[in-house]
Amino acid sequence: QQKVQQSPESLSVPEGGMASLNCTSSDRNFQYFWWYRQHSGEGPKALMSIFSDGDKKEGRFTAHLNKASLHVSLHIRDSQPSDSALYFCAVSERRTGGYKVVFGSGTRLLVSP
Amino acid sequence: DTTVKQNPRYKLARVGKPVNLICSQTMNHDTMYWYQKKPNQAPKLLLFYYDKILNREADTFEKFQSSRPNNSFCSLYIGSAGLEYSAMYLCASSMGRDTGQLYFGEGSKLTVL
Repeated sequence: QQKVQQSPESLSVPEGGMASLNCTSSDRNFQYFWWYRQHSGEGPKALMSIFSDGDKKEGRFTAHLNKASLHVSLHIRDSQPSDSALYFCAVSERRTGGYKVVFGSGTRLLVSP
Repeated sequence: DTTVKQNPRYKLARVGKPVNLICSQTMNHDTMYWYQKKPNQAPKLLLFYYDKILNREADTFEKFQSSRPNNSFCSLYIGSAGLEYSAMYLCASSMGRDTGQLYFGEGSKLTVL
């Protein structure tokens, strides 16, 4: 199965700081990289997707994709305690019957006040 | 309303007994997914339906069955539960023509004793 590797496994940043998460895919047959966030007791929720080289910004969140190296990063500026959660990277691949979506094991982010 | 409902939220099963998990969505999405999530591991894709076309992963092909009687409902069936099936089972849905964004339920936690 396609592998999606995330680093670091856990990350601690102070409130107002910058959090940086990394993700690499082992398969070039993808159309989109996705970032999902999961708070305790809830299902994962999609944050943003990226499919073109370069940066994509949505509010405090910026994703950066390098297609040549199959690497995507997520940067959270001005981190808030509410950003504390498990962050998943996922890769979606178009199939004849829908999208196959494969997830990494996640980065646990803790933002301390 | 982006709602995916899973039942039951918690399930206790004996080794060797069958387990049936149910998922429903009200968004008229054409694709529904089942993932298995164990602590500190990536959500593992088990299978997904695009309309009535079932896609099953090769390494879980014989362990899990599923049905989708209509576009709103999808079930996951384990014929004979083993200890290794203890996990959180996440259901998700998406629109096949979109980018592969998934909408998740809160999960069904299965404990096999």
